[in-house]
Amino acid sequence: AQKVTQVQTEISVVEKEDVTLDCVYETRDTTYYLFWYKQPPSGELVFLIRRNSFDEQNEISGRYSWNFQKSTSSFNFTITASQVVDSAVYFCALSGAVSGKSTFGDGTTLTVKP
Amino acid sequence: GAVVSQHPSWVICKSGTSVKIECRSLDFQATTMFWYRQFPKQSLMLMATSNEGSKATYEQGVEKDKFLINHASLTLSTLTVTSAHPEDSSFYICSARGLAGSGELFFGEGSRLTVL
Repeated sequence: AQKVTQVQTEISVVEKEDVTLDCVYETRDTTYYLFWYKQPPSGELVFLIRRNSFDEQNEISGRYSWNFQKSTSSFNFTITASQVVDSAVYFCALSGAVSGKSTFGDGTTLTVKP
Repeated sequence: GAVVSQHPSWVICKSGTSVKIECRSLDFQATTMFWYRQFPKQSLMLMATSNEGSKATYEQGVEKDKFLINHASLTLSTLTVTSAHPEDSSFYICSARGLAGSGELFFGEGSRLTVL
C-alpha cells in the first residue's frame, strides 16, 4: 500500500519569505516516481516536477527547489523568495513504477500575503 | 518530455446529459491509463484503471455504469459520465503509463466538469 503525507495542511507567509512544504511517503515498491503539482485558484493542475526513486539529486528550478531523501522517505519542496502568485494548493504524489497507480497527499494550501 | 493531453479542459452540461472526456498519450504508447477525481477542496482519488483492449478495473465505491471507461487504443482512453448530475461536478484527471519499468508515467492537465 502507498501513503503520502503532506505535513502541513496550511501555510501562510509574507511575500519574499522562503517556505518549505514537506512530503513524506510510504511504499513497498523499489522503483517509484514522486511528483509535485500546483493547483492555483483557477483549478487546473500544474506539473512542477517528476522524480525517479533512483535519482536522489536535488533539483533547482528558478525559485523552486526539491530535496529528495530516500533514507527518510521525504520529498520536500522549497519556494525561495515567495510571491503572491505562489498562492495555491500544492500536491505531492507517489506512483509505483510497476502498478502505475498514484497516491496523492491531501495537499498543502499556501497563502502568500503581500 | 512525454505529454498526456486531456480534452476538454472545461465542460459545462445540463443535468441528464452524458459527457465524454478524452485522455491521449501524445508520444508514447500507454498500456495502462488511470482516471482520478477530485472533489472540491479535497485530494485526488483513483477511480479506475484501464488497460488497452480490456475492461476497466474500478475502485471500490465507483459506479462503473455511471463512469464508462474505454481504452480502445494504446494512445486513447475515454471517460464518459453518463446521465450526469450536479453531484458529478468535479475535476477529472488521467495519467498514462507506458510499459512497466519504461519510466513513462505522466499526468494529463485535467478536465473540469460542471453539471447544471
